[in-house]
Amino acid sequence: EAQVTQNPRYLITVTGKKLTVTCSQNMNHEYMSWYRQDPGLGLRQIYYSMNVEVTDKGDVPEGYKVSRKEKRNFPLILESPSPNQTSLYFCASTDPSRTREGYTFGSGTRLTVV
Amino acid sequence: SQKIEQNSEALNIQEGKTATLTCNYTNYSPAYLQWYRQDPGRGPVFLLLIRENEKEKRKERLKVTFDTTLKQSLFHITASQPADSATYLCALGAGGYQKVTFGIGTKLQVIP
Repeated sequence: EAQVTQNPRYLITVTGKKLTVTCSQNMNHEYMSWYRQDPGLGLRQIYYSMNVEVTDKGDVPEGYKVSRKEKRNFPLILESPSPNQTSLYFCASTDPSRTREGYTFGSGTRLTVV
Repeated sequence: SQKIEQNSEALNIQEGKTATLTCNYTNYSPAYLQWYRQDPGRGPVFLLLIRENEKEKRKERLKVTFDTTLKQSLFHITASQPADSATYLCALGAGGYQKVTFGIGTKLQVIP
């Protein structure tokens, strides 16, 4: 089954404790992206990657890092999480050459930073 | 600044009627527009894409229109069913996929 897999689904952590949210897709998509979703603000792009070793900032990159060492994986790293990073996070991927297809999203990671 | 507006209030309609959701935008020249469905706590699911040079797209009970003069897209669900109850997001893309901007969504409730 074609899918984007995020782990973990739920995470509660303390301020300052580094964490990584993993994202993997099995569709050989070149393009991957991370979003956070907050009530009243909608989905906001954090980082995106056009291909292996090619990443760039989205609208809200502060406090986050990403890497794209393999085509299928695009982990999101919070080096020193803070309470304002409490949110619902989504990873998404797409094949830009298939212009009739939109993003395929993961199931989400609900992060709470206390 | 770029702005996408969707009805922030929930839309309640009777089963069997046509639901119409609106997506307006300002300070934007999108090359395409997408619609997604999102259920509570789940990731958005892609429904339809329409390009700037297309007026209308259809898929089963779904219809999307795109008016670049009015800067508006309308999303219709005909013969609505309770299973159509969800939040619907519009998203605008300027060209490639590096910059796709989402609206906050409209919550649709179909009443049996």
